[in-house]
Amino acid sequence: EVVMTQSPATLSVSPGERVTLSCRASQSVSSNLAWYQQKPGQAPRLLIYDASTRATGIPGRFSGSGSGTEFTLTISSLQSEDFALYYCHQYNTWPRTFGQGTTVEIK
Amino acid sequence: QLVESGGGLVQPGGSLRLSCAASGLIVSNYWMCWVRQAPGKGLEWVANINRDGSEEYYVDSAKGRFTISKDNAKNSLYLQMNSLRADDTALYYCVRGHFGLEVWGQGTTVTVSS
Repeated sequence: EVVMTQSPATLSVSPGERVTLSCRASQSVSSNLAWYQQKPGQAPRLLIYDASTRATGIPGRFSGSGSGTEFTLTISSLQSEDFALYYCHQYNTWPRTFGQGTTVEIK
Repeated sequence: QLVESGGGLVQPGGSLRLSCAASGLIVSNYWMCWVRQAPGKGLEWVANINRDGSEEYYVDSAKGRFTISKDNAKNSLYLQMNSLRADDTALYYCVRGHFGLEVWGQGTTVTVSS
C-alpha cells in the first residue's frame, strides 16, 4: 500500500501567517491527492482534490501543489477558523490511504 | 446529506450492520465509501463501492469480514461487519466520493468490547 507521511505533526502559527503543510507518498500517486480539514467533533471537509483544485466553497487562501510523491498545502494567511487538523489522502491506488495528519495550532 | 445509523456496543466476534440514508443526492449516481476514525486517531479508508454496485474494494483488515452494499430503492448505503474485533472500534463515516471525498455524514460509533 502507499504510505502517506505528513510533516510536521504539529505546526504552531500566529494568525495572518503563511502556512505550508507537507505530504509525501511512498510511491508516485500522480496528481491523485486530496487534502481535508477536520475540526474537533466534526467530520472532515474536502479542501483540495487532484492535488491543486479547490473544492466548492473553499476560500482562495487555500492552495495545493505537487505531483508524484511530494505535495504541499498552503494557507496564505491563516484565519482563526483555520486552526484544525489537516489530512492528505491518495486515491491513485487501492487501498486508499491517508496521512497521519498535521495539527495547525495557535502560537 | 448523509445520515449514518446502526452503530453500538458489540462483543468481539459479533456483527453489526451500518446504514447510511442519503437525501439530496442519489446514491446510485455516485461512488460511495466508508471511512473510519478510531478514538483519538487519524482517518482510515475502509471500503468503496461503485455507482451500480458491481465493484467493491476493501482495506486488507476488512476483507472477508465486511461487505459494502447499496440499496438504490432506499437510496442508502450499508456496511455489514462480521467477526468484529477490538481494533474495529471507531467512528464510521459514510462518504460520497471516489476521488476527492466530497460529502461526509456525521458518523456512527462502533465499540467492540466484552
